[in-house]
Amino acid sequence: AQSVAQPEDQVNVAEGNPLTVKCTYSVSGNPYLFWYVQYPNRGLQFLLKYITGDNLVKGSYGFEAEFNKSQTSFHLKKPSALVSDSALYFCAVRLTGFQKLVFGTGTRLLVSP
Amino acid sequence: SQTIHQWPATLVQPVGSPLSLECTVEGTSNPNLYWYRQAAGRGLQLLFYSIGIDQISSEVPQNLSASRPQDRQFILSSKKLLLSDSGFYLCAWSGSSGEKLFFGSGTQLSVL
Repeated sequence: AQSVAQPEDQVNVAEGNPLTVKCTYSVSGNPYLFWYVQYPNRGLQFLLKYITGDNLVKGSYGFEAEFNKSQTSFHLKKPSALVSDSALYFCAVRLTGFQKLVFGTGTRLLVSP
Repeated sequence: SQTIHQWPATLVQPVGSPLSLECTVEGTSNPNLYWYRQAAGRGLQLLFYSIGIDQISSEVPQNLSASRPQDRQFILSSKKLLLSDSGFYLCAWSGSSGEKLFFGSGTQLSVL
């Protein structure tokens, strides 16, 4: 079955430092991979996706993610963190031909001033 | 532009009472519709998804049901709520490819 794993419950980083939120996936076919962000008491917002092509994809708010097929990973990155980036981040996967996304358990990002 | 409306924002219900959460989408036709539940502010569990009227797939056996009486309306129901039904319920829609989901603002359900 398709799944994604987010090994870190929480990531702490100081403002201005680079951040990485980890995600690994397990699928039997070609994955479509996504990152979403959730602010308190709100729905999720789309950040970026990987379908095919360049392994480095750029998304909203300065975030990017790198698809690594050999390591089955899709880590979210940002060169310089902002306090306003503090939120809950979800990785998700979808198989070609399927209509549903499977989400990871989420990683809470805390950026300190 | 497309918008998604989900209500109510919060709901407190006694155990054994019925439930009806409603979600509507505007500005698009024949969307895919989804109900997710988020427990304890963390992981998202897909409950139901629908690719068309009367086409609803249930992902997890549970005390809940879903209906799609109109193309852009998705309803989550229960005849008798359990304590374990408490959580944050999110409705979402996507285009036919299902690649990008747009979420509603959620309903915080507390069953007491």
